[in-house]
Amino acid sequence: SQTIHQWPATLVQPVGSPLSLECTVEGTSNPNLYWYRQAAGRGLQLLFYSVGIGQISSEVPQNLSASRPQDRQFILSSKKLLLSDSGFYLCAWSRRRAGELFFGEGSRLTVL
Amino acid sequence: AQTVTQSQPEMSVQEAETVTLSCTYDTSENNYYLFWYKQPPSRQMILVIRQEAYKQQNATENRFSVNFQKAAKSFSLKISDSQLGDTAMYFCAPGTYGGSQGNLIFGKGTKLSVKP
Repeated sequence: SQTIHQWPATLVQPVGSPLSLECTVEGTSNPNLYWYRQAAGRGLQLLFYSVGIGQISSEVPQNLSASRPQDRQFILSSKKLLLSDSGFYLCAWSRRRAGELFFGEGSRLTVL
Repeated sequence: AQTVTQSQPEMSVQEAETVTLSCTYDTSENNYYLFWYKQPPSRQMILVIRQEAYKQQNATENRFSVNFQKAAKSFSLKISDSQLGDTAMYFCAPGTYGGSQGNLIFGKGTKLSVKP
């Protein structure tokens, strides 16, 4: 069966510090991978998606970047965090475009 | 741009009763999927039910069912015999190929509280 894990679960970082959130998928190959952000009391905003190794598409201009160094690994990064980067980040995978998403447990980021 | 509207920010229902959450969306496509996701206090997103747009029959999953009105672009979720564990945020998400390169677009959610 397929599983998805992301970490860390909780992160408190000062403004200007770097960020690295990691997500891995097991039990499938060549998944589509996604990073979503959920601000308090709001829906999910798609940040990045990837259809293959090294292929990253960004949905919104921002302070964050994503990388896919391996088929089932997706990393969300920032060189310098802003207060506005605080939120709940969700990694997800799907078998195909417009298909069902399978989500990780989420990472709560607080930037102080 | 693809849009999804969940017009009920919050709802409450008594345990064992039935509640319906509404969702409307905008698309010019003909073949697509629609999903309802649940996000309990633990924050993990869980798929509740899916519907293929080409199917006329409404999807059901145990106590959960949908009322899919393709022409009206409406996709409501009905929860029967509500249970305390149904307390969560519910998100509607159509998966249209024209929306964001074929990725799911989520509504802002409906916060459902089931009261004992």
